[in-house]
Amino acid sequence: EIVLTQSPGTLSLSPGERATLSCRASQSVSSSYLAWYQQKPGQAPRLLIYGASSRATGIPDRFSGSGSGTDFTLTISRLEPEDFAVYYCQQYGSSPPEYTFGQGTKLEIK
Amino acid sequence: QVQLVQSGAEVKKPGASVKVSCKASGYTFTGYYMHWVRQAPGQGLEWMGRINPNSGGTNYAQKFQGRVTMTRDTSISTAYMELSRLRSDDTAVYYCARVGGGPGGPRMDVWGKGTTVTVSS
Repeated sequence: EIVLTQSPGTLSLSPGERATLSCRASQSVSSSYLAWYQQKPGQAPRLLIYGASSRATGIPDRFSGSGSGTDFTLTISRLEPEDFAVYYCQQYGSSPPEYTFGQGTKLEIK
Repeated sequence: QVQLVQSGAEVKKPGASVKVSCKASGYTFTGYYMHWVRQAPGQGLEWMGRINPNSGGTNYAQKFQGRVTMTRDTSISTAYMELSRLRSDDTAVYYCARVGGGPGGPRMDVWGKGTTVTVSS
């Protein structure tokens, strides 16, 4: 089973700053199978990025994803107040089919 | 619009079973896998398994093998997740999520609002 480790656990930043969130896999992950989600309190997760770098429908271009192999990054170029939330990376493995989430990074207002 | 509507909150006793429903609308139900993900209070997301609504075929996370059953009723575009032999640590919000595919790989692009299941004696 592939384990995803996200860092940092908590990131304290101010609106307007740049956020860089990391997701490291215990084994190489196909870039096509790496996604990022945003979750706000009391809400379901929302898809942000899939295929490591493709933005989902309606996601602002301040969100970007990059990486390959075992190291992936979610970058928010200029934080807006509504961006403060918990972010999860997720990977898909095909043999056997399984989906794994990282433990999450909480992005909080400094 | 595309949406997944889940059944209401449940309170169960240890050892009982719970069955959560997820009704899809706005798209072809049989064209997308349906997944179930849970989240214990204050914790992260945990994948439980998936069902192919077209064939009924399922894949379950090893942790839940033998305790979870995912089914569907294509006539009403509804997926179900039943968890048996409930324990207190099964207390969580249970989400259904559609997985879209195509270029860019599989992704959970539509989520239900979640069903809170509380297990307590």
